[in-house]
Amino acid sequence: DADVTQTPRNRITKTGKRIMLECSQTKGHDRMYWYRQDPGLGLRLIYYSFDVKDINKGEISDGYSVSRQAQAKFSLSLESAIPNQTALYFCATSGADSPNYGYTFGSGTRLTVV
Amino acid sequence: RKEVEQDPGPFNVPEGATVAFNCTYSNSASQSFFWYRQDCRKEPKLLMSVYSSGNEDGRFTAQLNRASQYISLLIRDSKLSDSATYLCVVVHSGTYKYIFGTGTRLKVLA
Repeated sequence: DADVTQTPRNRITKTGKRIMLECSQTKGHDRMYWYRQDPGLGLRLIYYSFDVKDINKGEISDGYSVSRQAQAKFSLSLESAIPNQTALYFCATSGADSPNYGYTFGSGTRLTVV
Repeated sequence: RKEVEQDPGPFNVPEGATVAFNCTYSNSASQSFFWYRQDCRKEPKLLMSVYSSGNEDGRFTAQLNRASQYISLLIRDSKLSDSATYLCVVVHSGTYKYIFGTGTRLKVLA
């Protein structure tokens, strides 16, 4: 099993619908992150959480919300999806020593909003 | 100006060639640096950390130049399987915030 699992892998949804992307990890890391990736723009941070009671906005949090249900689970919600939220979404985790050891990414969710 | 900049490429090189990429960063307080590899439509995977003294892992060599604020990745004896996008990552001291470059695309040609 993958260390960081994202579901669904692919999703097509309609404008205005609420959608949740889920992420779970078995690495025992405290820190979890949600990124989106768009061609030419690279990876941009949406939200991050350093522990269950800690939630922080990233650079592009508008239109998104998150929930850290447990140390191992971090979900991302689009309350009312819009077409410019079409992107590849990645969840990532890291330990407290992340400046030295880097992130581990999930395999991504490809979201299309029509 | 972007905080982390990379030449998007593509760099098209023949098998067996040596290729090098640079990545420049603007925040002099950056403390850690990484190279990630990303295959098309896949997740980024850590390729190697970049240490001040430089480090090597097989055919891959990473260098850091703090004075000029850039890191580099050298790939020797390129393989077809090296074809991917290489992302530069810079970590801010204090906040430990990761800043990703937009990536350099490498195509190794048979």
